[in-house]
Amino acid sequence: QVQLVESGGGLVKPGGSLRLSCAASGFTFSDYYMSWIRQAPGKGLEWVSYISSSGSTIYYADSVKGRFTISRDNAKNSLYLQMNSLRAEDTAVYYCASLIAVAGRNWFDPWGQGTLVTVSS
Amino acid sequence: SYVLTQPPSVSVAPGQTARITCGGNNIGSKSVHWYQQKPGQAPVLVVYDDSDRPSGIPERFSGSNSGNTATLTISRVEAGDEADYYCQVWDSSSDHPIFGTGTKVTVL
Repeated sequence: QVQLVESGGGLVKPGGSLRLSCAASGFTFSDYYMSWIRQAPGKGLEWVSYISSSGSTIYYADSVKGRFTISRDNAKNSLYLQMNSLRAEDTAVYYCASLIAVAGRNWFDPWGQGTLVTVSS
Repeated sequence: SYVLTQPPSVSVAPGQTARITCGGNNIGSKSVHWYQQKPGQAPVLVVYDDSDRPSGIPERFSGSNSGNTATLTISRVEAGDEADYYCQVWDSSSDHPIFGTGTKVTVL
C-alpha cells in the first residue's frame, strides 16, 4: 500500500541544523510532486515547501525561504528537507505528503505520520 | 494573501448532521479540499475538488462550494468523526496551497 515514512526529527538548539527524510513506497514516486507541511503544537497546518516530480520546480513558504532546502532522490524514492538556522518557531511536527497536481486544483494525499522537530536551548 | 476562515468549533449529537464552513473571497471559483485529523494522527483527505470522495471515505462525508463559502457536511455523525477538519485551496497567483484555520468537531 502507499506509504510515506518520515525520519530525522529531534531536539536541536536555535541556530542549528537538521535534515528530515521521507521514504516513499507503494507508488511510482518519480511521477509525483511532493511536499513538506508542518504543524506547531496545538496549531493548524502550515505548508512549508514543495518540489516537482523531476525536482526542477521548487517553492518555499516565506517563513522558511533561505533557511530550508527541499530535495528528492527518485532513485531512492526519498524526499528530504535540509533545515538550517533553526528558530524556536520552527518547532513542529513535519509531515511529508504527496501533492496531487491537477491543473491548479492541487491537493495532498497521502500524508506520512510526521516527525517532531523541537528547537530549544 | 488569500485567507480561509473556519469556525473554531462545531458540536453535534450522534446521528445528527455536522456542517463545517470554510470562508474565502469568491472561494466558489476555486477547488476546495478537506482533511480530517484525529488526535495524534496525520491528516487524511476526506473530500477533494469540492465534493469528490477518495476511495474508502464513507458517503456520509460530502462537500459543496459556492460564492464565498465552502461546506463540509458530515451526515449521521458517529463518535469516530470527532476530529479537527481543515479546508485547503490552491492560490494560483502565488502557486502555493492555503490551509484554513481548522475546526474542531466534538460529538456530544
